[in-house]
Amino acid sequence: KQEVTQIPAALSVPEGENLVLNCSFTDSAIYNLQWFRQDPGKGLTSLLLIQSSQREQTSGRLNASLDKSSGRSTLYIAASQPGDSATYLCASGPGAGNAGNMLTFGGGTRLMVKP
Amino acid sequence: KAGVTQTPRYLIKTRGQQVTLSCSPISGHRSVSWYQQTPGQGLQFLFEYFSETQRNKGNFPGRFSGRQFSNSRSEMNVSTLELGDSALYLCASSFLLAGVSDTQYFGPGTRLTVL
Repeated sequence: KQEVTQIPAALSVPEGENLVLNCSFTDSAIYNLQWFRQDPGKGLTSLLLIQSSQREQTSGRLNASLDKSSGRSTLYIAASQPGDSATYLCASGPGAGNAGNMLTFGGGTRLMVKP
Repeated sequence: KAGVTQTPRYLIKTRGQQVTLSCSPISGHRSVSWYQQTPGQGLQFLFEYFSETQRNKGNFPGRFSGRQFSNSRSEMNVSTLELGDSALYLCASSFLLAGVSDTQYFGPGTRLTVL
């Protein structure tokens, strides 16, 4: 059974700082890994999807990497802004041979960027 | 293109009642998944539907059921509500390419409170 862990659970940084959020998973035979953002009381916003054949994906100030062999993914946020304050969730896609879209989520990292 | 919509946004029920939640996926998306989010357990997968067929099911009791219609809209039903069913219920849709997991887009969720 896949288990996804995110460290740290909470993070507070001053505006402008670069930061890294960590995600680890136990079963490396996954199709993909997805990073989401969730604002309080809201749904999830997809940030980046990394397929198993890729090593990283970039979108604006965000860069996500995937290392299947070590069971790790990182989300790098450059030049953080107060608007980046939210909970960031990583989710592993289904395992190899499992058709479908089931996601297994980590517990999230609650990020606060102080002005 | 309109996003994933969920109705109702908020529900208050009493123990023992049943409830039906609705999800309309992004146009063209045929895969719909449901997740339960609670402070204690985080985000947990309920089930996934594709072309009106349930493809995957999470570890939830039989009181939780769902279905998908020919227009890809989906409903989930919870019978004999318990206090522990209070949660944010999130629906996600995706466009599956050759059955392979793809980016999932989430709706705003339905907040269910059981009294």
